[in-house]
Amino acid sequence: NAGVTQTPKFRILKIGQSMTLQCTQDMNHNYMYWYRQDPGMGLKLIYYSVGAGITDKGEVPNGYNVSRSTTEDFPLRLELAAPSQTSVYFCASSWQGAHEQYFGPGTRLTVT
Amino acid sequence: GEDVEQSLFLSVREGDSSVINCTYTDSSSTYLYWYKQEPGAGLQLLTYIFSNMDMKQDQRLTVLLNKKDKHLSLRIADTQTGDSAIYFCAEPPGTASKLTFGTGTRLQVTL
Repeated sequence: NAGVTQTPKFRILKIGQSMTLQCTQDMNHNYMYWYRQDPGMGLKLIYYSVGAGITDKGEVPNGYNVSRSTTEDFPLRLELAAPSQTSVYFCASSWQGAHEQYFGPGTRLTVT
Repeated sequence: GEDVEQSLFLSVREGDSSVINCTYTDSSSTYLYWYKQEPGAGLQLLTYIFSNMDMKQDQRLTVLLNKKDKHLSLRIADTQTGDSAIYFCAEPPGTASKLTFGTGTRLQVTL
């Protein structure tokens, strides 16, 4: 199993551009999550999904959108990139919700 | 939302014990978790404790839980350079679907 994979690893965006961060898991997990990690701020939950076709907002959803058309994939969309979205983004999945989340390696995004 | 609090930095000498502390917010949390993040990587579950336990030991790791004070700690015995990482505590805030993470404690192990 590859676990949780994320692409790209790094990306630089100009203000106002859009992009999609990809996340795929091959563990047949129902629960998937998107977090952002800012220095000294821990992880903040952006969006999560409890199964295909179901998504819900986390703590910091503004400026992002998600979809969950399959169990495996959970892409995160940034429509109008802003400098405040410069961060490291982690995708995670789990079989039992909050219990034992598996994390991808992260995407480092810079918006200038 | 309410914050799960940790101190930001801890430095210990190799071979000493490390104690990382966390204050959580939700007294109804069923489990409490410790995750480890090595440089340039995602988080990995290190250990967890069920809320009806006071202590859990797993090799060099000891987790202590004080529910009255909502205080969680992680002790690493005989700390090694490979333990250098950021450690996060986490709790499920009122729901079993998601986690709230602390700010993370960066552990530096010196020779």
